[in-house]
Amino acid sequence: AQSVAQPEDQVNVAEGNPLTVKCTYSVSGNPYLFWYVQYPNRGLQFLLKYITGDNLVKGSYGFEAEFNKSQTSFHLKKPSALVSDSALYFCAVRDIRDSSYKLIFGSGTRLLVRP
Amino acid sequence: SQTIHQWPATLVQPVGSPLSLECTVEGTSNPNLYWYRQAAGRGLQLLFYSVGIGQISSEVPQNLSASRPQDRQFILSSKKLLLSDSGFYLCAWSSIDSPQETQYFGPGTRLLVL
Repeated sequence: AQSVAQPEDQVNVAEGNPLTVKCTYSVSGNPYLFWYVQYPNRGLQFLLKYITGDNLVKGSYGFEAEFNKSQTSFHLKKPSALVSDSALYFCAVRDIRDSSYKLIFGSGTRLLVRP
Repeated sequence: SQTIHQWPATLVQPVGSPLSLECTVEGTSNPNLYWYRQAAGRGLQLLFYSVGIGQISSEVPQNLSASRPQDRQFILSSKKLLLSDSGFYLCAWSSIDSPQETQYFGPGTRLLVL
């Protein structure tokens, strides 16, 4: 069965400092991996994805994520956090062999960037 | 470009009343469509998905149903709402033509059942 774990309910970081939001996954085959961000009372916005190729993926708003197959992780990172990055972040996974196209989402991590 | 719409944005309904939430997608054909529910601002629960007109797959047995009467229209319904149906309902689409199959989300409908 596919699953995603986001071990931190909340991450606190000072503006200007680097941030990391953790994600680990479990799939039977090879994964497609995604990060989404949600601002209050809004839908989810797509940030970035890993399909194949370079393990370091760059996405919107200066975010990047590194795929680590041996550790089954896909942590989201940003070199310098902004207050406006404060939001709820979701990691998601799909087994590329799953013809149902379903994404499995983690429980979300709230990022709080303080001025 | 593709856009996804949901309405209404907010809905307050009494227990036992019917429900109809609508989702439409523009700028693409034959999308995969999904309904999610988000409770308490946290995790997303996949409720239904559809890979074509009239094709609905249910993920969780519950008080809700879904229909896809047109290619780019996805409707979430209930005959009698329960208190536990309150939540934030999100519709999403993905393209079967794209091997990456990113899901793109609508703005959501906040439902409060009283």
